[in-house]
Amino acid sequence: SAVISQKPSRDICQRGTSLTIQCQVDSQVTMMFWYRQQPGQSLTLIATANQGSEATYESGFVIDKFPISRPNLTFSTLTVSNMSPEDSSIYLCSANPQLAGYNEQFFGPGTRLTVL
Amino acid sequence: EDKVVQSPLSLVVHEGDTVTLNCSYEVTNFRSLLWYKQEKKAPTFLFMLTSSGIEKKSGRLSSILDKKELFSILNITATQTGDSAVYLCAVPNAGGTSYGKLTFGQGTILTVHP
Repeated sequence: SAVISQKPSRDICQRGTSLTIQCQVDSQVTMMFWYRQQPGQSLTLIATANQGSEATYESGFVIDKFPISRPNLTFSTLTVSNMSPEDSSIYLCSANPQLAGYNEQFFGPGTRLTVL
Repeated sequence: EDKVVQSPLSLVVHEGDTVTLNCSYEVTNFRSLLWYKQEKKAPTFLFMLTSSGIEKKSGRLSSILDKKELFSILNITATQTGDSAVYLCAVPNAGGTSYGKLTFGQGTILTVHP
């Protein structure tokens, strides 16, 4: 398994500002992911954070809005840029400690973002 | 496009009841199905199922996969108020683009009353 920490755990931000969320894993992992969970909804993948290269974004998500860094095998950041109230969500990072993509993923505690 | 559907969407029971949660899926590159429990923010991993007909069990929780009919069930016996949560079913993308991506069902909101 993997133990994952995220910070901040929550934040309240003003429209038009940006917030960077950090995700730290207690061991080296090949795969890290960023998900969004809007109120009352299930989780949706934003992007796969690739170590040493650009993140791979899902349809509907773009790098300018959600820039991601992955400087090493234990750490990643997600920035939510130029925020609007529609960005109010829980943001979760996850990691797959196995080499195979079909194995279990473990989640960080999440960041609850409210945009006013 | 991969699809995961859970039912029921919500369930209210009393302590001691047994519940069965359903998850059906239509995905390419299937290798496994995952169950999670989400109480506040972070989903907590429960089970990973890869083979049909083999029950995974942890205490009062158990789960089984049917790869022919493309579904899984999660059973909780002798429910307790602490079982109240959202239960999520997810299938990882095991090949091609978006490798490792989890496609989630809508979740089942379980409420257990004392």
